[in-house]
Amino acid sequence: EPEVTQTPSHQVTQMGQEVILRCVPISNHLYFYWYRQILGQKVEFLVSFYNNEISEKSEIFDDQFSVERPDGSNFTLKIRSTKLEDSAMYFCASSGSRTYQETQYFGPGTRLLVL
Amino acid sequence: GQQLNQSPQSMFIQEGEDVSMNCTSSSIFNTWLWYKQDPGEGPVLLIALYKAGELTSNGRLTAQFGITRKDSFLNISASIPSDVGIYFCAGQKGAQKLVFGQGTRLTINP
Repeated sequence: EPEVTQTPSHQVTQMGQEVILRCVPISNHLYFYWYRQILGQKVEFLVSFYNNEISEKSEIFDDQFSVERPDGSNFTLKIRSTKLEDSAMYFCASSGSRTYQETQYFGPGTRLLVL
Repeated sequence: GQQLNQSPQSMFIQEGEDVSMNCTSSSIFNTWLWYKQDPGEGPVLLIALYKAGELTSNGRLTAQFGITRKDSFLNISASIPSDVGIYFCAGQKGAQKLVFGQGTRLTINP
């Protein structure tokens, strides 16, 4: 069964460093998402991406964040200068279409720890 | 902003018992979804609801989409140890982001 994959599974970084989280969405999907989950809290939407541009972003997704689909398979989230409060699980998701009946499939997540 | 209120926050039950949890919102959603999350994993979809009043089952799981489109419940019958985890409701408006509830942590005593 096709699945969303994410790398790395864990990342430890120093405050102020740049990190790039990588995702490989399901191959025929067109819509891509990043969510984050701070430890013990709910999953929060960060950004959605379609046709090589951002469709929607939350207030969390400030100028320190960017997303890119550098090739036909990868979807990346970059945090330019990490802060302590960026420590969280980051989940990538993908779906096949914009219809509300299209399920978003989640990857296993990247646990980011900023020291 | 849109918020989903999920209750209870945690449940401690005996194996074999039935479980019920629910989600309410001040906003209307087109779709309600129930996900389960195991430790260190991503959310896995359990049930999706698309029509107001819809009652859908998936094995021992049953979920309903409220008539007002502002609430949903999830029932698990005859709980087993692998049901342990965190259950999240999520609402979807239009075709974009999911708005998640705070989660219900289910613990089962054998």
